[in-house]
Amino acid sequence: DGGITQSPKYLFRKEGQNVTLSCEQNLNHDAMYWYRQDPGQGLRLIYYSQIVNDFQKGDIAEGYSVSREKKESFPLTVTSAQKNPTAFYLCASSSVFNQPQHFGDGTRLSIL
Amino acid sequence: GQQLNQSPQSMFIQEGEDVSMNCTSSSIFNTWLWYKQEPGEGPVLLIALYKAGELTSNGRLTAQFGITRKDSFLNISASIPSDVGIYFCAGRGYGGSQGNLIFGKGTKLSVKP
Repeated sequence: DGGITQSPKYLFRKEGQNVTLSCEQNLNHDAMYWYRQDPGQGLRLIYYSQIVNDFQKGDIAEGYSVSREKKESFPLTVTSAQKNPTAFYLCASSSVFNQPQHFGDGTRLSIL
Repeated sequence: GQQLNQSPQSMFIQEGEDVSMNCTSSSIFNTWLWYKQEPGEGPVLLIALYKAGELTSNGRLTAQFGITRKDSFLNISASIPSDVGIYFCAGRGYGGSQGNLIFGKGTKLSVKP
């Protein structure tokens, strides 16, 4: 089935450690996005990519990094510079940038 | 920056009742989207709206794009227990960074059988 796969479902990070969240889509979508969701809050945009080999910072990019080397993959690295990384991370994609976004099932990141 | 207010924050209703929720923005939007999120899962797209005044239905759900372009409404008729979840609105402005989606903080719906 076509869709967006995020892995792992749960992830734990130690102090000073970088961790990478995976996002893969087989929908042949050009655009991909990463959001952060905190309890009782809306989704906040971290990074987005309108096309392969290109990406842009969102509203809260500090402490995060991404790459878009393949159309179907958009991994997010949470670096040690992100001082409050505990959150639910959602990856999304859309056929092109201004079309409705479809979401994966998220990765919950916690600090050990 | 752009702001989007969603209300109410939460609703506790009896099965069979109708539900209404809304979102208002500080600026004009060209797209309104409504999503539903269940615990531990990603949001699922319910309805997409692209024109001022547009009224679109998806089963028991009906959403409208406000004529001022600054608001949108979602109605759920004859609620059932599986309607439980958090409903998010999202809107998109015009051009540049305003082309990014802005999300409301959600309306948490609880349905009592």
